[in-house]
Amino acid sequence: SYELTQPPSVSVSPGQTARITCSGDALPKKYAFWYQQRSGQAPVLVIYEDKKRPSGIPERFSGSSSGTSATLIIRGAQVEDEADYYCYSTDSGGNYWVFGGGTKLTVL
Amino acid sequence: QLVESGGGLVQPGGSLRLSCAASGFNFSDHYMDWVRQAPGKGLEWVGRIRNKINSYSTEYGASVEDRFTISRDDSKKSLYLLMNSLKVEDTAVYYCARTTHSDAYFIDYWGQGTLVTVSS
Repeated sequence: SYELTQPPSVSVSPGQTARITCSGDALPKKYAFWYQQRSGQAPVLVIYEDKKRPSGIPERFSGSSSGTSATLIIRGAQVEDEADYYCYSTDSGGNYWVFGGGTKLTVL
Repeated sequence: QLVESGGGLVQPGGSLRLSCAASGFNFSDHYMDWVRQAPGKGLEWVGRIRNKINSYSTEYGASVEDRFTISRDDSKKSLYLLMNSLKVEDTAVYYCARTTHSDAYFIDYWGQGTLVTVSS
């Protein structure tokens, strides 16, 4: 079965840049999507199709993708950005979707 | 808005049907997904149902295939998840999620979830 791999945790100080990676064999041909999940809440889409930002998401959130890795970048991270972040993509066939294991972002 | 219901306590081997009521968008146009999250764990994609134009076709994650069935009633703006042969490891919050399309299909909006507990 297809897997996406994320680091379990990332820690930055307020105002620094946080980078969360996601690795998967199909990423060179498939888009990555990113979701933020604050404690006790439903996930929220923060990046779609590798680098597009939905309306209402702060400009400090951006995404990139190269080869078998996609990256969520949070420039000038704020305390309110503390959350679990999940990448999401599909296998090479395009019909089975998977989430990465999630990365806990700590901003302090 | 997406509002899930039907969660609760069920014994191993039992069945349960979850519902999701949609409002505020043209439900019939959208693919819809179910995603679950075991306590303290990450997100797991359960499956998807496409729209009428795409024959209401379905796809399922490997861990639930052959046990779970996704259906929808566009006239009621409702999505369903029928879960059979439930296992302890199916214990999770189950989220109903809307799928939208840009260059790809992806989840863009989530309900608040309903908790399913499988235990004797």
